[in-house]
Amino acid sequence: EPEVTQTPSHQVTQMGQEVILRCVPISNHLYFYWYRQILGQKVEFLVSFYNNEISEKSEIFDDQFSVERPDGSNFTLKIRSTKLEDSAMYFCASRAGTQQETQYFGPGTRLLVL
Amino acid sequence: DAKTTQPTSMDCAEGRAANLPCNHSTISGNEYVYWYRQIHSQGPQYIIHGLKNNETNEMASLIITEDRKSSTLILPHATLRDTAVYYCIVRAFNTNAGKSTFGDGTTLTVKP
Repeated sequence: EPEVTQTPSHQVTQMGQEVILRCVPISNHLYFYWYRQILGQKVEFLVSFYNNEISEKSEIFDDQFSVERPDGSNFTLKIRSTKLEDSAMYFCASRAGTQQETQYFGPGTRLLVL
Repeated sequence: DAKTTQPTSMDCAEGRAANLPCNHSTISGNEYVYWYRQIHSQGPQYIIHGLKNNETNEMASLIITEDRKSSTLILPHATLRDTAVYYCIVRAFNTNAGKSTFGDGTTLTVKP
């Protein structure tokens, strides 16, 4: 069964460093998402991406965040200058298209900012 | 997206049916009811979804009331591996965004 994959599974970084989290959505899916979950808190929406542009973003997704689909398969989340409060699980999700609404989530990347 | 209300926690005996309720009284006509679960800190796992008819798949059944203001997820024979946080989410369809808004969910503990 096709699935969303994410790399790395864990990342430790120093405050102020840039990190790039990578996702390979399910093949032929058209809509892509990033969510995050701070330890012990809810899963929070960050951004949705369709047709090579952001279709919606939350207040969390400020200028420090960016997303890109550099080739036909990868979908990346970049955090330019990490803060301690960026420590969280980051989940990528994808869905096939309009009329096919189910989002499928990846296993997540655990980011720890020291 | 409509807000949902779920009990904070529930217990279920192994082998018995687990019935998880969700209230979504402000649901709109263009919103589906989705159920996901999250085991430990893994990614949310899709279980089932529906619009107005009851649905069944290999994992669970979804019963939606006629007025669509509430629903129940049924795990027919719960196992210890079904221990997880279960999220009921309502989401509009036919949008280019289609984000999911997660609440606190119901922590289901299946006991031997």
